[in-house]
Amino acid sequence: QVQLVQSGAEVRKAGSSVTVSCKASGGSFSWDTISWVRQAPGQGLEWLGRIIPAPARAHHAHSFQGRITVTADTSTSTTYMHLSSLRSDDTATYFCARDAPTRTGSLDVWGNGTTVTVSS
Amino acid sequence: SYVLTQPPSVSVAPGQTATITCGGDNIGIKTLHWYQQRPGQAPVLVVYDDSLRPSGIPERFSGSNSGNTATLTISRVEAGDEADYSCQVWDSSTDHPVFGGGTKLTVL
Repeated sequence: QVQLVQSGAEVRKAGSSVTVSCKASGGSFSWDTISWVRQAPGQGLEWLGRIIPAPARAHHAHSFQGRITVTADTSTSTTYMHLSSLRSDDTATYFCARDAPTRTGSLDVWGNGTTVTVSS
Repeated sequence: SYVLTQPPSVSVAPGQTATITCGGDNIGIKTLHWYQQRPGQAPVLVVYDDSLRPSGIPERFSGSNSGNTATLTISRVEAGDEADYSCQVWDSSTDHPVFGGGTKLTVL
């Protein structure tokens, strides 16, 4: 059973950057595509980007281009999401999730979420 | 990019049937998924590929998708079903998932 465990809550100043980690266990990490999704307070879910760990291929939402980097470390089965030039509207809970093996676009396993608070 | 529209809220009495809709342009030709999210928790996939249920999801949860509307139906609603429900498709024009705004299900 695949499990995704994320790093703890972060507080950052506007203009700085943050890195959130997502450690996978119980699955074939190298072949699982991991997506990053966020949810601002009281808002819906928003997809940020994804990565296929091996060989590393990343894809980001156009609205985050230039600010987001998604990487993976196959030696530790960990995916990282780095977001720079933080703004107050980046305050949200950030989730990692596995793209389901059915390859029809669903996200079947989710991490526990990481709250990122950006202060001005 | 592709837009999915959900009603903000749906209310239903225990034991009754809840119907949550997700609208989109010709959504019936897309593959649709539904997530349940309880307060403070991560989303959980409850229906995938329009109408299939992952292991562990009760048969009370069912889905359909046709024309411009997809529907999540929850039969014999229980208090524990109270949550936000979001629909999602893959937007081929942007090559990434798109989510609806979510519907808050209240069990009266």
